[in-house]
Amino acid sequence: AQSVTQLDSQVPVFEEAPVELRCNYSSSVSVYLFWYVQYPNQGLQLLLKYLSGSTLVKGINGFEAEFNKSQTSFHLRKPSVHISDTAEYFCAVSKGDSSYKLIFGSGTRLLVRP
Amino acid sequence: NAGVTQTPKFQVLKTGQSMTLQCAQDMNHNSMYWYRQDPGMGLRLIYYSASEGTTDKGEVPNGYNVSRLNKREFSLRLESAAPSQTSVYFCASSEAAGANEKLFFGSGTQLSVL
Repeated sequence: AQSVTQLDSQVPVFEEAPVELRCNYSSSVSVYLFWYVQYPNQGLQLLLKYLSGSTLVKGINGFEAEFNKSQTSFHLRKPSVHISDTAEYFCAVSKGDSSYKLIFGSGTRLLVRP
Repeated sequence: NAGVTQTPKFQVLKTGQSMTLQCAQDMNHNSMYWYRQDPGMGLRLIYYSASEGTTDKGEVPNGYNVSRLNKREFSLRLESAAPSQTSVYFCASSEAAGANEKLFFGSGTQLSVL
């Protein structure tokens, strides 16, 4: 079965420091990959997605992610974080032909400190 | 810009009580979803509606029923609430049910069953 692993449940970082949130998935077939962000007391919103083509995907708010097929990873990065980036980040993988087969990881809470 | 609207935002139930969570979207989307979010587990799909007039079970449907009332509205019903259903519930929608679709989420309903 498809699975998504976010190894870090919480990542504390100081403001203006770089950050990487890790995501690994289990699949030997082509997949679509997503990162969603959930700000406090809000629903999830799409940060970026990889469908095909360039392995480096740029999203909103200065985030980017790199698809690495050989390592089955889709890590999220930002070179300089802001206090406002404090949120929970979910990696998700979709295999096959349907949006209802989307599998979410358990989430990583990014805590940005001044 | 309402997007996906869920009501209520908070609810406390006693074991055995019933209730309906309401969801409406104003983006003319064809597909709608109900997820539950539990600590450390990410989001799990309860039910979905790929298009108006259809509903199907997701990963964790037991104890729930749904109704796709029309293209805009998709409700989730708990017939006899149990403490295990204490969770945060999210409604989402997408333009279609393809694997590459972007999901739009409501702000959630926090449900406690005592």
